[in-house]
Amino acid sequence: GAGVSQSPSNKVTEKGKDVELRCDPISGHTALYWYRQSLGQGLEFLIYFQGNSAPDKSGLPSDRFSAERTGGSVSTLTIQRTQQEDSAVYLCASSSKTTGTNQPQHFGDGTRLSIL
Amino acid sequence: KQEVTQIPAALSVPEGENLVLNCSFTDSAIYNLQWFRQDPGKGLTSLLLIQSSQREQTSGRLNASLDKSSGRSTLYIAASQPGDSATYLCAVRGGSTLGRLYFGRGTQLTVWP
Repeated sequence: GAGVSQSPSNKVTEKGKDVELRCDPISGHTALYWYRQSLGQGLEFLIYFQGNSAPDKSGLPSDRFSAERTGGSVSTLTIQRTQQEDSAVYLCASSSKTTGTNQPQHFGDGTRLSIL
Repeated sequence: KQEVTQIPAALSVPEGENLVLNCSFTDSAIYNLQWFRQDPGKGLTSLLLIQSSQREQTSGRLNASLDKSSGRSTLYIAASQPGDSATYLCAVRGGSTLGRLYFGRGTQLTVWP
C-alpha cells in the first residue's frame, strides 16, 4: 500500500482480555518497528523486526507482550491479560533498510487501545 | 542509554514568525536524526532525516541542523503558518545496527493567525 496501515484504529476492551493489533508495512520494507505512546511517557520502542526475525525485543515491557511477523510483511502485536497501564497508542513503523543506507522510518496512524 | 530532550515543551507564536525548536541527545554515537510532525490523533509524519555525516537538511520552509559532537539539533521553521500547528518530535537512531529510534517528548507548537 501507499503507507503503513494499522488496524483497528481504536480498541476498547476489558481488563484481563487479550488483544491483537495489526500492522501492514509499506510494500517492500524489510524493517518493521513497534512503538508505544502513553500520556506522560513519550514514545517508547517495543520491538524491531528485520524480515521475520526480531533481533531486538528489549522494549517489550513484560511477558504478556509478544509480536510476530510472517512472510516478511504483516506483523501482529499481542497483549495478553490486559492491564489498565497498557492503555496507550500503539504505533507501527517500517523502513526499507536498516543497515548500510539509513532510511527514514515511516509511521502508521496507530491503534488507540483503552483498557476499562 | 540514549536520552533525547526537546526544548521548549510548548511554543505559541503569531503567524509569520521564524522559529527554532531545539533537540539534544546524550550519546553522540548516532547514525541519523529524524524530525517528525504529529497532528492530534494521528501518527508521525517524517519531515527531515539528517545522516550523522551531514550538517543540515532543508525542505521548503524547514531547515534542520545537526551538531553531532555536541549532541544538538535544531529545526528552523520560516514564516510560520497556522497549518504548522502540531507537535514536533525529534528522534535519533542509536549507534548500533538494530535501528530503534530514541524520541524526545516533543514541542507542541501553536501558530495563531
